[in-house]
Amino acid sequence: SQELEQSPQSLIVQEGKNLTINCTSSKTLYGLYWYKQKYGEGLIFLMMLQKGGEEKSHEKITAKLDEKKQQSSLHITASQPSHAGIYLCGADPYGNNRLAFGKGNQVVVIP
Amino acid sequence: DTGVSQNPRHKITKRGQNVTFRCDPISEHNRLYWYRQTLGQGPEFLTYFQNEAQLEKSRLLSDRFSAERPKGSFSTLEIQRTEQGDSAMYLCASSLGGMLTYGYTFGSGTRLTVV
Repeated sequence: SQELEQSPQSLIVQEGKNLTINCTSSKTLYGLYWYKQKYGEGLIFLMMLQKGGEEKSHEKITAKLDEKKQQSSLHITASQPSHAGIYLCGADPYGNNRLAFGKGNQVVVIP
Repeated sequence: DTGVSQNPRHKITKRGQNVTFRCDPISEHNRLYWYRQTLGQGPEFLTYFQNEAQLEKSRLLSDRFSAERPKGSFSTLEIQRTEQGDSAMYLCASSLGGMLTYGYTFGSGTRLTVV
């Protein structure tokens, strides 16, 4: 089964600073999904990356997919308290409509 | 479009009792998924429906668990004879068509605590 390792496990940044979190797969990535979760709540879809080298941005969040490295990174520019939460990456390794998730990156933004 | 709705939001039950959770997906979504998430872990796949047909069940779904989607709309997840290890957040998600195109929309989850 595909395993997704997310690093760092947790990250504390000061408001206004940039941050990068990573998701590395044990298998070839054919698509990668990023979600955000507030504690005790459901997952909010952020971005989907389908092709190697693809890069997408939404507001201050940019995600990239490096198929060769089997890795995706998510970068937040000028972080704000609203960016705090758990970021989860997910992938569907066999194209069978079942997402497997990593354990998440916990982001804390200090005002 | 009111999103994916899950009820109840929280459930506390005594060990050995049965519990049932409900998920109402986005109305035009034909696929519905159940996941379970424990503290510090990512969501784990439990089962998946396309319309009313249950197409796949994880090995995590023991005989005490049963899920239905009788008319291809809402779904229920029942846990019989609950155990403390069943304490978790149960998440429902729905999608329209292939996931690679549209992704999932998740509900807010039902947090189960078995005491």
